[in-house]
Amino acid sequence: SQQGEEDPQALSIQEGENATMNCSYKTSINNLQWYRQNSGRGLVHLILIRSNEREKHSGRLRVTLDTSKKSSSLLITASRAADTASYFCATDGNQFYFGTGTSLTVIP
Amino acid sequence: NAGVMQNPRHLVRRRGQEARLRCSPMKGHSHVYWYRQLPEEGLKFMVYLQKENIIDESGMPKERFSAEFPKEGPSILRIQQVVRGDSAAYFCASSPSGGYSYGYTFGSGTRLTVV
Repeated sequence: SQQGEEDPQALSIQEGENATMNCSYKTSINNLQWYRQNSGRGLVHLILIRSNEREKHSGRLRVTLDTSKKSSSLLITASRAADTASYFCATDGNQFYFGTGTSLTVIP
Repeated sequence: NAGVMQNPRHLVRRRGQEARLRCSPMKGHSHVYWYRQLPEEGLKFMVYLQKENIIDESGMPKERFSAEFPKEGPSILRIQQVVRGDSAAYFCASSPSGGYSYGYTFGSGTRLTVV
């Protein structure tokens, strides 16, 4: 399976702290994407990183990709209560494969 | 731009009834994907469609489930003779092309409850 697997499954931090989530996958990819899902809502696309990129920034988000280790990390800096959500990584293919997500809770 | 529209937002069916879930992709998007999310689990791919064509249905259960994306109108995910195990959130996503470079735009999902 090409499925992305996120780690940790759950993460609880204080507002203002940084949150780091990891994703591992099994086969070669063209790109990897991170999504956020708020409770009861649909997925929101956060950031896409291509296989020839090592790092990408978007606002308070920083994504790294290590294709040799088949892993990616998502860093959210200066977290806010509104960042509380589940975060999924997805790898490409004929369809995108999603992991089970990291559930992030930011405590005000 | 209204985004990806899914309806209904919530659907309750008795066991044995049929469930029809609709998805209208974003304007200009001709690729539609359906995902199912069981409670406490991640999203699972079900089917990938283009207009009038099923491209990949490798994630669809072999029985009772079908999907279509006609030339006109929304994509429909149809579940016949629903069972309690079909209770889940069903998400639709669309993209302008195969999705490799653009990511998906997701709808808010349809929450199906089978009683």
